[in-house]
Amino acid sequence: NAGVMQNPRHLVRRRGQEARLRCSPVKGHSHVYWYRQLPEEGLKFMVYLQKENIIDESGMPKERFSAEFPKEGPSILRIQQVVRGDSAAYFCASSPREGGNTIYFGEGSWLTVV
Amino acid sequence: DQQVKQNSPSLSVQEGRISILNCDYTNSMFDYFLWYKKYPAEGPTFLISISSIKDKNEDGRFTVFLNKSAKHLSLHIVPSQPGDSAVYFCAARGTGANSKLTFGKGITLSVRP
Repeated sequence: NAGVMQNPRHLVRRRGQEARLRCSPVKGHSHVYWYRQLPEEGLKFMVYLQKENIIDESGMPKERFSAEFPKEGPSILRIQQVVRGDSAAYFCASSPREGGNTIYFGEGSWLTVV
Repeated sequence: DQQVKQNSPSLSVQEGRISILNCDYTNSMFDYFLWYKKYPAEGPTFLISISSIKDKNEDGRFTVFLNKSAKHLSLHIVPSQPGDSAVYFCAARGTGANSKLTFGKGITLSVRP
């Protein structure tokens, strides 16, 4: 998957705790996308970020979810006060520019809320 | 509102035969169409793409056809191999701030030896 690194691969949280998922894009890629896949469903767009900017957050739940892509370091998807419905696979993807066909996914982070 | 539709949830094909996976879309502003392959517990792997200005793109055993007037695309795999068994996602993207990928629900391909 062309070097998109996500961690942790698996994360278990109790209801009410916080989950932080990290994504390091392919070296040189400045565009990051987060997707969520619920059981038995396809991938749903959450947020699109460039360095230090949120470009499109139309897929993010209005509460408890936030994302950032700082100038230095990985992109972070943060889920506060997790609930069981947040249990899903979260995928990060990166591309070197907007548009085009070069967008690569990481292996995903599986969040389980107990 | 599902903008990218993969109406068949599964397909079973004999090894060596052709697999044809279909995808329909509703948004005429989509600029690129991509196919991804996904195994359980792994991330999607990019397979092949096509620009909206083309009607065919071929890469080895994989060919994607685009019919813009029908808002329809298809992925052909020939010859199909057992290792092709996976979930295949059709995705589409626009440009600029609309460059996010919109995915279909996927189709599970099973290639029988």
